[in-house]
Amino acid sequence: GEDVEQSLFLSVREGDSSVINCTYTDSSSTYLYWYKQEPGAGLQLLTYIFSNMDMKQDQRLTVLLNKKDKHLSLRIADTQTGDSAIYFCADRLQTGANNLFFGTGTRLTVIP
Amino acid sequence: DADVTQTPRNRITKTGKRIMLECSQTKGHDRMYWYRQDPGLGLRLIYYSFDVKDINKGEISDGYSVSRQAQAKFSLSLESAIPNQTALYFCAPGPGHWDEQFFGPGTRLTVL
Repeated sequence: GEDVEQSLFLSVREGDSSVINCTYTDSSSTYLYWYKQEPGAGLQLLTYIFSNMDMKQDQRLTVLLNKKDKHLSLRIADTQTGDSAIYFCADRLQTGANNLFFGTGTRLTVIP
Repeated sequence: DADVTQTPRNRITKTGKRIMLECSQTKGHDRMYWYRQDPGLGLRLIYYSFDVKDINKGEISDGYSVSRQAQAKFSLSLESAIPNQTALYFCAPGPGHWDEQFFGPGTRLTVL
């Protein structure tokens, strides 16, 4: 089955940029998603990208997709303490259940 | 997403009890999904439904059953709860018209 991987932890200083990386294995991915989860909360959809795009920008968020390497990244500019959370990447395959496959999440800690 | 409700939001139950988690959506999506989140494992697919008459098992369906009572309602049941079913459960209708994917607020289930 599909395998989505992320590093577990990332620490950055307030005001710096954060880059969260994700890799996936199935080349039939159609859409790739980034979610934010704060402690005790649900999943907030941050942004998503169609697989035939290589970049998407949305305010402080920039998503880069390298389809050849099956690598996805989320850059958060001017990181704030409110950005501290767990970030999940997920992809949707073209076939089967058409569900999302999730990585294990990256815990971002912003140091004031 | 305010268009998806899950009840109960929190539940503590005992081993061997039957419990039902409910999900309702107001967007008229044909597809609905149930996922489970365990710490360090991301989300995994339990069951999914493409319409009222189409129910399918996901990656981790053992110990669970579902019912699609109407297009808007998709319930997940644990016939005889066990402690390793302690987790956060998310319902996800959709995807939406632009392939966005939102999740319900989640149900935190603890099995003692």
